[in-house]
Amino acid sequence: SYVLTQPPSVSVAPGKTAQISCGGDNIGSKSVHWYQQQPGQAPVLVIYYDSDRPSGIPERFSGSKSGNTASLIISRVDAGDEADYYCQVWDRSSDHWVFGGGTKLTVL
Amino acid sequence: EVQLVQSGAEVKKPGESLKISCKGSGYGFISYWIGWVRQKPGKGLEWVGIVNPGDSDTRYSPSLQGQVIMSADRSISTAYLQWSSLEASDSAMYFCARALWFGNTYYFNHWGQGTLVTVSS
Repeated sequence: SYVLTQPPSVSVAPGKTAQISCGGDNIGSKSVHWYQQQPGQAPVLVIYYDSDRPSGIPERFSGSKSGNTASLIISRVDAGDEADYYCQVWDRSSDHWVFGGGTKLTVL
Repeated sequence: EVQLVQSGAEVKKPGESLKISCKGSGYGFISYWIGWVRQKPGKGLEWVGIVNPGDSDTRYSPSLQGQVIMSADRSISTAYLQWSSLEASDSAMYFCARALWFGNTYYFNHWGQGTLVTVSS
């Protein structure tokens, strides 16, 4: 089955840029989506289709993809961005949804 | 406004059965697949499966196939996740989410608030 790999944790100082990676075999051929989960809450979609932002999500959130890695980039990080972030793809060959293991973003 | 409202927390004993629900409103319920996602305490998100409320077609995660059953009642805009015999390892938060098809992919653009299932003797 398809596997997505994320770093367990990323730390960043307030006002700086955070980058969270998501690796997978041939991920370039798949569309990657990102969710933010605050403690005790349901996940929220922050990026879909690699780099599109749902309405209501700040422009500070962006997505990119290069080679076998997709990335979520959060610029001008503030304390409110501290959360767990998950990447997700739909694997067409198996018709299954796959989540990465999640990355805890800590704002120093 | 799109809303997915899940049933309340459950405390069950091993071997008991359980059915939790997810009621959709604010959109055409049969037009979107409803997925289920499990989150064990302190762990990440895990896809359980997905059901088409229009025709009850289902897809299951290989690791959960045979352990749970998904269904939907289009007449009351509600999707279900059920167990016939719970185990302690089923203890988790379960989220339902609406799946959206876009381009060449699916993603979850609306989520329920979650149902906490605790299985303990």
